[in-house]
Amino acid sequence: GAGVSQSPRYKVAKRGQDVALRCDPISGHVSLFWYQQALGQGPEFLTYFQNEAQLDKSGLPSDRFFAERPEGSVSTLKIQRTQQEDSAVYLCASSLGGPLTGELFFGEGSRLTVL
Amino acid sequence: AQSVTQLGSHVSVSEGALVLLRCNYSSSVPPYLFWYVQYPNQGLQLLLKYTSAATLVKGINGFEAEFKKSETSFHLTKPSAHMSDAAEYFCAVSERSGAGSYQLTFGKGTKLSVIP
Repeated sequence: GAGVSQSPRYKVAKRGQDVALRCDPISGHVSLFWYQQALGQGPEFLTYFQNEAQLDKSGLPSDRFFAERPEGSVSTLKIQRTQQEDSAVYLCASSLGGPLTGELFFGEGSRLTVL
Repeated sequence: AQSVTQLGSHVSVSEGALVLLRCNYSSSVPPYLFWYVQYPNQGLQLLLKYTSAATLVKGINGFEAEFKKSETSFHLTKPSAHMSDAAEYFCAVSERSGAGSYQLTFGKGTKLSVIP
């Protein structure tokens, strides 16, 4: 497709379960970003990849969160031992250049609900 | 660290009326500033950006924003609202993350309703 694709769109997990969220960026986009958007809040930065290199993971809230982009295209955000506070929409974005340009293309998000 | 404040979580305007969505940032250094829009069931989309060129920036769909350094503001306006403008609008600023790369910091968003 032409845009950023995320799956699953909706995920319900029991507390303590592991989840994996997938992002398929726009073809050829070097930069890939993950954001977390809690209810009523703006997106908050989690992590940033340039090709396969994870250049910034300073926004990941705990060591239960892990992201990878092994071949420089598709990325997976994994959350281990989910907690209720992990409930949020997880947004993936990609861009042709680096983050400073600000022109990020966002997917529709994966809504995670932890019971 | 910078912060972005959007005044009003919900704004309602009549169709054809002026749209004004407020955004203030805190910074001693002129930043890069952005407005994003999120239509229902869609991803965020860039409306416009300020990158230290002209202070009045024009974006898509008739929106524009003016950077005012003295007021640390970057308010979004549109002269005449259309029903299709109903969406959530996010102001964002680029700033260094904890690891030193530039990333976007978003405001909490303003939901715009347009009344027929």
